[in-house]
Amino acid sequence: GAVVSQHPSWVICKSGTSVKIECRSLDFQATTMFWYRQFPKQSLMLMATSNEGSKATYEQGVEKDKFLINHASLTLSTLTVTSAHPEDSSFYICSAAQGANWMNTEAFFGQGTRLTVV
Amino acid sequence: DAKTTQPTSMDCAEGRAANLPCNHSTISGNEYVYWYRQIHSQGPQYIIHGLKNNETNEMASLIITEDRKSSTLILPHATLRDTAVYYCIVGYEKLTFGTGTRLTIIP
Repeated sequence: GAVVSQHPSWVICKSGTSVKIECRSLDFQATTMFWYRQFPKQSLMLMATSNEGSKATYEQGVEKDKFLINHASLTLSTLTVTSAHPEDSSFYICSAAQGANWMNTEAFFGQGTRLTVV
Repeated sequence: DAKTTQPTSMDCAEGRAANLPCNHSTISGNEYVYWYRQIHSQGPQYIIHGLKNNETNEMASLIITEDRKSSTLILPHATLRDTAVYYCIVGYEKLTFGTGTRLTIIP
């Protein structure tokens, strides 16, 4: 099956710094990518949807200036957590889908990135 | 705002069929029903999806009621490796996760 790779798998950063998480589709063109965050023992919460070459669409309550999403190519999307604080510590997961009619197929998920802000 | 209701947890004996129900009474005409599962600290894994008709693949079967207001995921012969949180998702242009069902396969 198709592979979506996230990097890094885990990261520890100091409060106030920014951290970038990469999401790559390794063997298909990801026209649409999704970013989620998941707190311990909770479900995945959709943060934003991005289409290649377009600005991301953020879910209600998600600060677009804090969580910068770039989907500059069909194989790469990045999420930058700016001025990270301890409450941003979470498990961040990306998902990628191919084509305009991806809804009748599957979206592929990365393995997740565990961010710890100290 | 998830559109699905699932039991919080279920147990199933190893080797038996696991039947996971999902209610989605507000589903719209163009929305698909998707099932994903998540094993601890990993990204979700796709299982199956459908629109109106029942579907079967190598992993599972999906039974959708005629009015599309509910569905059941069937794992025909559950193994210990099927222990996971199972998410039933209804959507079209995005996948919004609900709380899921924690399925435990018992030896």
